[in-house]
Amino acid sequence: AQSVTQPDIHITVSEGASLELRCNYSYGATPYLFWYVQSPGQGLQLLLKYFSGDTLVQGIKGFEAEFKRSQSSFNLRKPSVHWSDAAEYFCAVGVTPGSQGNLIFGKGTKLSVKP
Amino acid sequence: DAGVIQSPRHEVTEMGQEVTLRCKPISGHNSLFWYRQTMMRGLELLIYFNNNVPIDDSGMPEDRFSAKMPNASFSTLKIQPSEPRDSAVYFCATDGAYNEQFFGPGTRLTVL
Repeated sequence: AQSVTQPDIHITVSEGASLELRCNYSYGATPYLFWYVQSPGQGLQLLLKYFSGDTLVQGIKGFEAEFKRSQSSFNLRKPSVHWSDAAEYFCAVGVTPGSQGNLIFGKGTKLSVKP
Repeated sequence: DAGVIQSPRHEVTEMGQEVTLRCKPISGHNSLFWYRQTMMRGLELLIYFNNNVPIDDSGMPEDRFSAKMPNASFSTLKIQPSEPRDSAVYFCATDGAYNEQFFGPGTRLTVL
C-alpha cells in the first residue's frame, strides 16, 4: 500500500540556519509528490510539487525539494530559515497520477524557529 | 479567484445537534475532498467526489456523517447527531491539474 513517512515529528532550528525536512514514500510507480505548509489556524498551502523532469523543484517562499528515486525520498530544504517559517509541514504523494484521485499525507513535521 | 470557501469558520454546538458544514470549490475543478484534522489522528480523508459523484467514502467514520455535492459549485458535510469526539477542523479541498489539492481555510467544530 502507498504510504508517506515523515520521520521527524518536531524540529527546531535557529533563524538563519539551513533546514531539511525528510520525507520517504512507498509507491510502485513514479509518484506525484507534494509539500504543503500549514500555519497555526490556517489551511494547507501548497509549497511545491514534482511530477516529472528535473528532480530538483523550486517552490514558493524560498523552498526547494529534491526527488531521489533510489532513496524513495522527497526532502524539503531551505538555505536560511526565517521566523515566519515556523509552521507544520506535510509531505504527500498522489496515488493516481494524471487523474483525479486522493493524496496520501504524512503525519507532518512541526518546525519551530529560535531567534 | 477567491479559492475554496468554507462556512462557517467556527461552529460550537451541543452534543446531539445536527451540524452542516459548507464548501464552495474553485470553479472548474472537477474533484472535491473533505478532510478532518485532529491532534490525535492528524489529517484524515473522509470522502471525495469527482464530477459531483462520490468516489470513495471509506473514510467517513460512521453513519452519522453524510456528504453531498448537488452541483459543481457546492458541497455539504453533515453530522447528525454530533458527538464531542467529532470536534476537529474540517477542510474542503479541490484538485489541480497534477493531483495537487487546494485547501480551504477550514471549519473548526467544537461539540460540547
